[in-house]
Amino acid sequence: NAGVTQTPKFRVLKTGQSMTLLCAQDMNHEYMYWYRQDPGMGLRLIHYSVGEGTTAKGEVPDGYNVSRLKKQNFLLGLESAAPSQTSVYFCASGTSGGTSYNEQFFGPGTRLTVL
Amino acid sequence: RKEVEQDPGPFNVPEGATVAFNCTYSNSASQSFFWYRQDCRKEPKLLMSVYSSGNEDGRFTAQLNRASQYISLLIRDSKLSDSATYLCVVNWEGGATNKLIFGTGTLLAVQP
Repeated sequence: NAGVTQTPKFRVLKTGQSMTLLCAQDMNHEYMYWYRQDPGMGLRLIHYSVGEGTTAKGEVPDGYNVSRLKKQNFLLGLESAAPSQTSVYFCASGTSGGTSYNEQFFGPGTRLTVL
Repeated sequence: RKEVEQDPGPFNVPEGATVAFNCTYSNSASQSFFWYRQDCRKEPKLLMSVYSSGNEDGRFTAQLNRASQYISLLIRDSKLSDSATYLCVVNWEGGATNKLIFGTGTLLAVQP
């Protein structure tokens, strides 16, 4: 039971390049999330998904796209990377939001640098 | 006012000390509250949920004050292994999305 995994762990991009971050979970969770974490800012929600085939915008969605074609996978895409997207990206998954106190489980993170 | 606000620290305490962290939140409709722990360069992990009546888990005690909209975490008999950043987290009610709002974290450094 691997939990939440993310690939790659590290990546350096040049401005304007594109890339896709992959998140996979084996806990059969309906809900999946992408966050970015920057110094002094806390974790901020980029996009999230409440089920296979559905996605929604979070707090900071600009410059990112996502897809949830399979329940266990949540992809985050950067079409044209900018230095402002240098950050640590965390994926998380959790159970239905119908009840409170639902824990979110996080992946190990992807450290992205855009030059 | 920030949605979830914490003292960033750092809190430098000796082993065995008792330390308390406070956190305030702005959305009075919030119903669920958590403390997550994040080690350096690692992912956040749930430390404990915070219930209305307060709850305790070993050396850790969490309390919620809805009237003043603040949450606290008390750590007794600090260990070196408690050194980490502690994130105050609030479930932002308003639909079944389980969206969490994270504070920026409070850094704890326990000294030998």
